[in-house]
Formats: sequence, C-alpha cells, structure tokens
Amino acid sequence: DAGITQSPRHKVTETGTPVTLRCHQTENHRYMYWYRQDPGHGLRLIHYSYGVKDTDKGEVSDGYSVSRSKTEDFLLTLESATSSQTSVYFCAISSGNLYNEQFFGPGTRLTVL
Amino acid sequence: GENVEQHPSTLSVQEGDSAVIKCTYSDSASNYFPWYKQELGKRPQLIIDIRSNVGEKKDQRIAVTLNKTAKHFSLHITETQPEDSAVYFCAGDLNDYKLSFGAGTTVTVRA
Repeated sequence: DAGITQSPRHKVTETGTPVTLRCHQTENHRYMYWYRQDPGHGLRLIHYSYGVKDTDKGEVSDGYSVSRSKTEDFLLTLESATSSQTSVYFCAISSGNLYNEQFFGPGTRLTVL
Repeated sequence: GENVEQHPSTLSVQEGDSAVIKCTYSDSASNYFPWYKQELGKRPQLIIDIRSNVGEKKDQRIAVTLNKTAKHFSLHITETQPEDSAVYFCAGDLNDYKLSFGAGTTVTVRA
C-alpha cells in the first residue's frame, strides 16, 4: 500500500458537532482527494487539492471544508455534522503524472448520531 | 463532467466461470480508465487500468477492453476463484486530475 494513513479510523459523534478527519501521506504526491462512500453511490468526490493551499470542490462539497498547509497533510472538516454525513471517508493521493493513478488510504468510518 | 455508469450492480458466478463488468462513459475527452477492487472492510485497490491508446490489456486472469467509439470499457475475470469475491469499481478521468467512479459491482464467486 502507498504511504497513506487516515485518522481517526472510527469516530462516533453527535449532530451539530465539528469533526476533522486527517489524511497523511509519505509519498510527496501533489494531488490529494477526499471521497465519501455510501451504498449504491460508489465513491463521490468531496474536495481535492492540487498543491499546498490549493483546493477545489468536488461533486458533494456542501457541508465540508478542507485545508492543506503541508504537502503531506490534507484535512477534511465537517463544520456542523449531520446524520446525512454518516459515511465511510477515503483519502486518495496521486502523483500528477500524465495518467491519474489514485491510491487510497484505509478509510475512516464516521457515524453521526 | 464525466458520468460513468456501471452494470450489473451485482454478479454471482460459479467458481471457474468468467465474470464481465461493463461501464459506459459520457466524456469523449476521457483517456484513462482504472478498475478498483474493494474487499469487505478494506480500501479500494487499483487492479488494472487502460489508456486510450490501447484497446485491450491483460494481467494474468483479468483483462480490460476499451471501445472509444462506443465509449464503453469492460473488465473480464477468467477462471474465477473465491478470492475474486469483492466490489469492483470502474472510473474515468475528468479534467483537473479527477476521476469519476461507477456505482460498483458486487461480485460473488460460488464454490
């Protein structure tokens, strides 16, 4: 597996609380991504980053924000968690070579009660 | 943007038989099509990919084919084994180094 870790791996929180998920890579890859995975929807892109401090929205960005202050870390924040954000969250990285090979982290299972 | 559709959503095969999963895409500019395998409780793993300059690629028991004219690509697994049971995702590339994923196919190999 590529050098990608996610923390925490599991989290249970209550509606309305802020939550931050962390993705850390040791590959020095330029591109980092946050996806959510829900039954019947595959992997949907929340936000992605194409460099330090450079981020952009994906298809399901409402209710989420991200930050990337260092090449190796990409943070996903749920400002005020809702039950609809209960999901498995995956981080992915890509070197940005000609073809976009993405490699995934182990995932974070988030439950919002 | 890209829209990738994947069929079937579930597939049950007898051990030793072949499995085929098909995906269609909408953006004719797409030129990279990876396939991921996800075992229960694990991360998606890249198992094979195909680029627009080739029509077929093989790696042991798995193969991918691409028809750019018809805008569809397929994953073929031959001589299926119990360890092939997993969820498989296809994807197509978008602008700005993004991928659009299909909804997934749950493959069950019956012993």
